[in-house]
Amino acid sequence: DSGVTQTPKHLITATGQRVTLRCSPRSGDLSVYWYQQSLDQGLQFLIQYYNGEERAKGNILERFSAQQFPDLHSELNLSSLELGDSALYFCASSAQGNIAGANVLTFGAGSRLTVL
Amino acid sequence: AQSVTQPDIHITVSEGASLELRCNYSYGATPYLFWYVQSPGQGLQLLLKYFSGDTLVQGINGFEAEFQRSQSSFNLRKPSVHWSDAAEYFCDVRQGNKLVFGAGTILRVKS
Repeated sequence: DSGVTQTPKHLITATGQRVTLRCSPRSGDLSVYWYQQSLDQGLQFLIQYYNGEERAKGNILERFSAQQFPDLHSELNLSSLELGDSALYFCASSAQGNIAGANVLTFGAGSRLTVL
Repeated sequence: AQSVTQPDIHITVSEGASLELRCNYSYGATPYLFWYVQSPGQGLQLLLKYFSGDTLVQGINGFEAEFQRSQSSFNLRKPSVHWSDAAEYFCDVRQGNKLVFGAGTILRVKS
């Protein structure tokens, strides 16, 4: 157990729907990162939050949004879902706010989204 | 543009044989370098990291990696592979505020 908790583990939905993925960071970590992993795109960085504020943005679609709450858990909202959104969505956390450098990320087990 | 290349998509080795997974990058200065492992159905777990100093770094589970500046490489090695090492391995290269993962190498271990 890495200490990063993601729910749900699996989710099956239909095109056009909206889903919310939840992440609780490791105790003491202030940063949360969201990644999308698919067979054709590999591991893609979506967005980072640090202590409630957006810190960095990657290849996140406009249909996707995220936020980090005062208790530091984060939610990734995916709307108007398309078949191509089917992927594993990972959350990672770290103590520091800088996205790169020597910052060690701790990953959750992921949420597998299937869009039919 | 900065890039990270893991040239081998799949590698198959026999149990007990040695292993080397390649990672090359194109960055101007020495970046921070990491290797992660992802077992089926799991998230990424940190194996080892290099920031500076000794270019040969030791990680968990008997893995090591060597930073070679002249080759712009950070290859992962293990002297004797175990069946439980079958997984996907990702190189993570960072410089400035950029964090880029390689495409991954899937390791298969045959008995």
